[in-house]
Amino acid sequence: EADIYQTPRYLVIGTGKKITLECSQTMGHDKMYWYQQDPGMELHLIHYSYGVNSTEKGDLSSESTVSRIRTEHFPLTLESARPSHTSQYLCASRGTGNTEAFFGQGTRLTVV
Amino acid sequence: KNQVEQSPQSLIILEGKNCTLQCNYTVSPFSNLRWYKQDTGRGPVSLTIMTFSENTKSNGRYTATLDADTKQSSLHITASQLSDSASYICVVSDRGSTLGRLYFGRGTQLTVWP
Repeated sequence: EADIYQTPRYLVIGTGKKITLECSQTMGHDKMYWYQQDPGMELHLIHYSYGVNSTEKGDLSSESTVSRIRTEHFPLTLESARPSHTSQYLCASRGTGNTEAFFGQGTRLTVV
Repeated sequence: KNQVEQSPQSLIILEGKNCTLQCNYTVSPFSNLRWYKQDTGRGPVSLTIMTFSENTKSNGRYTATLDADTKQSSLHITASQLSDSASYICVVSDRGSTLGRLYFGRGTQLTVWP
């Protein structure tokens, strides 16, 4: 069982609201990732981090921001949610080298 | 361009039957290939991981093969069960960057009917 957790699992929120999706892992992994996945589609990398105080944008342009103040915590924030942000957001982490990526359960976000 | 293509896009089989899912990739330089199972509304869970030198790896009823020369992999599921209904995602990692970039296929949606 992977020790990586995302909250909330489901979120329905109004347009213009600020939201933060939480991701925590207890495996001491340096590398953490945020992916966006629409139904039936592949995962798209939106943010990643090599370690504390390191964050980079991924392949898919995203209006979200991330922070990495602690190794175990990698929250994603949307300052002003829009219906186009409706999607599933998956957090993942990996240890040193090309080890297995562990995924959280995902957050299903719906912006109305 | 680094890509991962999976086929078929979807598959329906009867409980107890076998099936094979395909994955072709163009990722270079290649590091390893993983098959993940993703249940609806959940995060992917790793089934197998294969490196350049490995041809076959089994995990219970799941057997993965890798042909690094033709850049093809397959996932064979034996004696399917209803709980096998899920999306199966092929993920290829490169070794050309510190990040160890992961490239995802779109997945094969498998449905097992009783």
